[in-house]
Amino acid sequence: AQTVTQSQPEMSVQEAETVTLSCTYDTSESDYYLFWYKQPPSRQMILVIRQEAYKQQNATENRFSVNFQKAAKSFSLKISDSQLGDAAMYFCAYTGANSKLTFGKGITLSVRP
Amino acid sequence: KAGVTQTPRYLIKTRGQQVTLSCSPISGHRSVSWYQQTPGQGLQFLFEYFSETQRNKGNFPGRFSGRQFSNSRSEMNVSTLELGDSALYLCASSFSPHNAYEQYFGPGTRLTVT
Repeated sequence: AQTVTQSQPEMSVQEAETVTLSCTYDTSESDYYLFWYKQPPSRQMILVIRQEAYKQQNATENRFSVNFQKAAKSFSLKISDSQLGDAAMYFCAYTGANSKLTFGKGITLSVRP
Repeated sequence: KAGVTQTPRYLIKTRGQQVTLSCSPISGHRSVSWYQQTPGQGLQFLFEYFSETQRNKGNFPGRFSGRQFSNSRSEMNVSTLELGDSALYLCASSFSPHNAYEQYFGPGTRLTVT
C-alpha cells in the first residue's frame, strides 16, 4: 500500500521569505502523480501543484515549486515570497493506478506579517 | 463552468440516525470520489464511483454506502450514526478514473453527530 508522510505538523514563515514543506512517500508503482493541496480555513481543497513521476523536471507554478527526488521518494514544496494568503493547511498527496488519493497528515503553515 | 457542489453544507444529526449527503460533479465529469476528514485520522478515502459503478472502496464499515446516478451525481449514506462519524465529508470529481490526476474538490459537508 502507498503511504505519504508529512513529519512536520506546523511551520511558520516571515512574509516575503521562502519556506519549504517536506513530504516523503512510499510506493512500488512506477507510474504515479504527486500533489500539494492547500486547505484554507474555508476548508476548500485547492490544488497547488502537481508532479508526474515520469517527468524529471520539477513542476513550477508561479511562486510554488517542488523538489522531486524520485529515488529518495521525496517531494517537497517551496513557497517563495510568502504572502499572508498562503497561511493554510497543506497536504501532500499521491495517486497511482487505483486512482484514489492518499494524503499525508498535513502541515499548518502560518505567515508572520 | 460550475464547480463541484455538495449539499447540505452543514448537518447536525443524533447518534443512531442516518444521513444522506449529495455531490454534483463538474459538468462532463463522470468519476466521483468521497473522502472523510477528521482531526484524528486526517483525510481518508471512502469510495469512488464511475458510470454508476463503485470502482474502489476504502476501509470503512458497511454503514457507509454510496451510489451514483445516470447524471453522475453521487450520494453517500451513513446509517446508525456514531459520534466518531463527525467529520468533514469531501467529494471530488474528474472526467474518468484515468484522469484521477486532475480531481476537483467540492466545499465539503460538515457533519456533526451529537
